Amino acid sequence: SQQGEEDPQALSIQEGENATMNCSYKTSINNLQWYRQNSGRGLVHLILIRSNEREKHSGRLRVTLDTSKKSSSLLITASRAADTASYFCATDAGYQLIWGAGTKLIIKP
Amino acid sequence: NAGVTQTPKFQVLKTGQSMTLQCAQDMNHNSMYWYRQDPGMGLRLIYYSASEGTTDKGEVPNGYNVSRLNKREFSLRLESAAPSQTSVYFCATSSGPNSPLHFGNGTRLTVT
Repeated sequence: SQQGEEDPQALSIQEGENATMNCSYKTSINNLQWYRQNSGRGLVHLILIRSNEREKHSGRLRVTLDTSKKSSSLLITASRAADTASYFCATDAGYQLIWGAGTKLIIKP
Repeated sequence: NAGVTQTPKFQVLKTGQSMTLQCAQDMNHNSMYWYRQDPGMGLRLIYYSASEGTTDKGEVPNGYNVSRLNKREFSLRLESAAPSQTSVYFCATSSGPNSPLHFGNGTRLTVT
């Protein structure tokens, strides 16, 4: 069963613009993780945010977590062509991560 | 550093055939996982191994078996492939529960 649901399913923006994608989940979590997947490759871990954290930064990435709304957002600032990929959120559920279906991000030159 | 290596990269099977997907890691991680990825869906966990010598079922274990051969290697076996098992299979590792996962590049399996 899927816990995380990303929104939007697809996003197309101009290079240099900011991209925001959202993730909603259903049950209490210990942490929430964001991953990137380039076409034909495995997933790459981007950021882990714990349930007692509200915001976390890594380079051009900013993740927020609102446990009262059971939602998280991933902001990519000053997007680049290389950011074109699918982005997935994953929440822990005991020993297992539960994954959303992903947001497909396309950066237009 | 290779990280997580999966073989083969591509495979086509006929219904009823068997095969084993191989995964090896050089990250010295205790935990290893097998996921499948289907279009429009999130990753679904097939089996995992919290540590050498242990394996547990995930969300979709039916039709699969696994072996944790040693700390480095975790294989996934399809005994009698079915078209519903057409998917991309990913092996992943982590240092422990709630830790980030490190993925291989996947095996694209087609069952006709």
